[in-house]
Amino acid sequence: GEDVEQSLFLSVREGDSSVINCTYTDSSSTYLYWYKQEPGAGLQLLTYIFSNMDMKQDQRLTVLLNKKDKHLSLRIADTQTGDSAIYFCAESLDSNYQLIWGAGTKLIIKP
Amino acid sequence: DGGITQSPKYLFRKEGQNVTLSCEQNLNHDAMYWYRQDPGQGLRLIYYSQIVNDFQKGDIAEGYSVSREKKESFPLTVTSAQKNPTAFYLCASSIQWAGLAGNNEQFFGPGTRLTVL
Repeated sequence: GEDVEQSLFLSVREGDSSVINCTYTDSSSTYLYWYKQEPGAGLQLLTYIFSNMDMKQDQRLTVLLNKKDKHLSLRIADTQTGDSAIYFCAESLDSNYQLIWGAGTKLIIKP
Repeated sequence: DGGITQSPKYLFRKEGQNVTLSCEQNLNHDAMYWYRQDPGQGLRLIYYSQIVNDFQKGDIAEGYSVSREKKESFPLTVTSAQKNPTAFYLCASSIQWAGLAGNNEQFFGPGTRLTVL
């Protein structure tokens, strides 16, 4: 079945780049998403990439997609304390409109 | 402002009681979803609805019920049959099936934290 995997934690120093990785199993993905969840809040869409693209950049965020390896990454440049959150990867399949979710990566910022 | 609202933000329930969590959206979205989130875990789908008067079970529907009488509303009832209901509940909505080229982005409410006493 479909599966999306992420590491549970990532720790980086303030000012460094953060790279959060995600792997998925279903090759029929159409869109892949990155959501951010701050403590006690709902999820906010950060960015998404269509499956026929291999890179998308939006200010400090860069998404890389390797469709051959089914690997998605989110790079946050110049990580700030406000970036501390849980980041979820999700894929959308062409068979239905549900999203398949990863377990989330908690980004911890060290001073 | 368009968006999704959930109420209440915090809810306490005694064992054996049913409680209903509210979810309202004014985005004119056809599809709505309920997720459960436990500490250190991802989102698990409880129920979803593609259109008014229709809904489907997700991965963990046992002990929950929903209704979809209006497009903008999708309340979730946590029944006494749910053995471990303490969790954070998230409601979301999306434009319904947007086709192969469509973006199925889901928009989330702020969540309701349910605690069983």
